[in-house]
Amino acid sequence: DIQMTQSPSSLSASVGDRVNITCRASQSISTYLNWYQQKPGKAPKVLIYAASSLQSGVPSRFSGSASGTDFTLTISSLQPEDFAAYYCQQSYTTPDTFGQGTRLEIK
Amino acid sequence: EVQLVQSGAEVKKPGESLRISCKGAGYRFTSHWINWVRQMPGKGLEWMGKIDPSESYVDYSPSFRGHVTISADKSFNTAYLEWNSLKASDTAVYFCARRSRVQTDNHYFMDVWGKGTTVIVSS
Repeated sequence: DIQMTQSPSSLSASVGDRVNITCRASQSISTYLNWYQQKPGKAPKVLIYAASSLQSGVPSRFSGSASGTDFTLTISSLQPEDFAAYYCQQSYTTPDTFGQGTRLEIK
Repeated sequence: EVQLVQSGAEVKKPGESLRISCKGAGYRFTSHWINWVRQMPGKGLEWMGKIDPSESYVDYSPSFRGHVTISADKSFNTAYLEWNSLKASDTAVYFCARRSRVQTDNHYFMDVWGKGTTVIVSS
């Protein structure tokens, strides 16, 4: 199975901050990488697919990038509604695998 | 509105059987695979498997193969996740999610999610 290693596992930040969350794949997955946001008690929601494509309806402060097996989710200016958990997921090969998640908390 | 409607919460005893459901609405059900994802209390997301509702072909994660059964009934636009003998460790929230393909290439992602079904297994 392809392992997805996310960092950090938790992060404290303030409204207006720029935040980066990183995901590293254990082997090449091209750009078959998606990012999801999950708020407590809710289902996940896709933010970014194919490493850097913004899902329809998602604010433009969210962006994704890729460099080899390293992927980054960037939130350019944190808003109060962005405090949540974030997961990466590879869709390159079965089984799909998720990163362990990053919990973004208010500082 | 495109949505996946999941069945309600369940409380079961160890050794009991269970089937939970996920009904698609607002789109052609047979055009999209359905994924199942587990989230244990306070933990992250785990992909369990997916099913092609048009042919009922199933792809399981090795971690879940043999422990659960994924099925679908296209005449009811519904996918199912089933256990023959529940364990306390099956206590979790189970999400179904629609798999969609990017128009221009083979990238896939889960674009529509059910609200989740909570399963509690306790004696």
